[in-house]
Amino acid sequence: GAGVSQSPSNKVTEKGKDVELRCDPISGHTALYWYRQSLGQGLEFLIYFQGNSAPDKSGLPSDRFSAERTGGSVSTLTIQRTQQEDSAVYLCASSSTYNRRADTQYFGPGTRLTVL
Amino acid sequence: GESVGLHLPTLSVQEGDNSIINCAYSNSASDYFIWYKQESGKGPQFIIDIRSNMDKRQGQRVTVLLNKTVKHLSLQIAATQPGDSAVYFCAENTARQLTFGSGTQLTVLP
Repeated sequence: GAGVSQSPSNKVTEKGKDVELRCDPISGHTALYWYRQSLGQGLEFLIYFQGNSAPDKSGLPSDRFSAERTGGSVSTLTIQRTQQEDSAVYLCASSSTYNRRADTQYFGPGTRLTVL
Repeated sequence: GESVGLHLPTLSVQEGDNSIINCAYSNSASDYFIWYKQESGKGPQFIIDIRSNMDKRQGQRVTVLLNKTVKHLSLQIAATQPGDSAVYFCAENTARQLTFGSGTQLTVLP
């Protein structure tokens, strides 16, 4: 079946502009995660959704970052007033349930954001 | 703070040889670990996982070893192939989220 999809695959924007990144999780997956990956680095957790609610927003780096999920499916990560340090690959993942044993997270291909 | 880290950032092996990728973790409360493979331009792909009540788990050509005494995790890849070239991350499940290490770049030499 279809995996996690993300759009756009690449986004180049000017400093100060707002951007929206989209994630379509695997159908039926209730948990959705956003991560950020800087060049040559590991994955930095941003936010997690269970259904439409976000019980864990602890990873969002600033109030310029926000995310929402509607209908328990598609999620949008919005970065306002982008800065050059926001340049990274933004990865989305989904899993069928969320518990401490952590069902496998399936990742999308990511959106590469470049802020000029 | 607690963290997951990798001993080596890069590893080169000859095609056909076995590869061993290491990972150190510091959170003794972690009870679940995952290895992911990330090819260039793609998202991480699940390879294998292990729970803390196990010392070893085998998959297809891959084996994960967990040494809780020294808080060390390793991924062994048998008969490494060119398609195994990628960045490998270990991830630690703690506090209801995965914490990833910085990754090891595995390069398979012809």
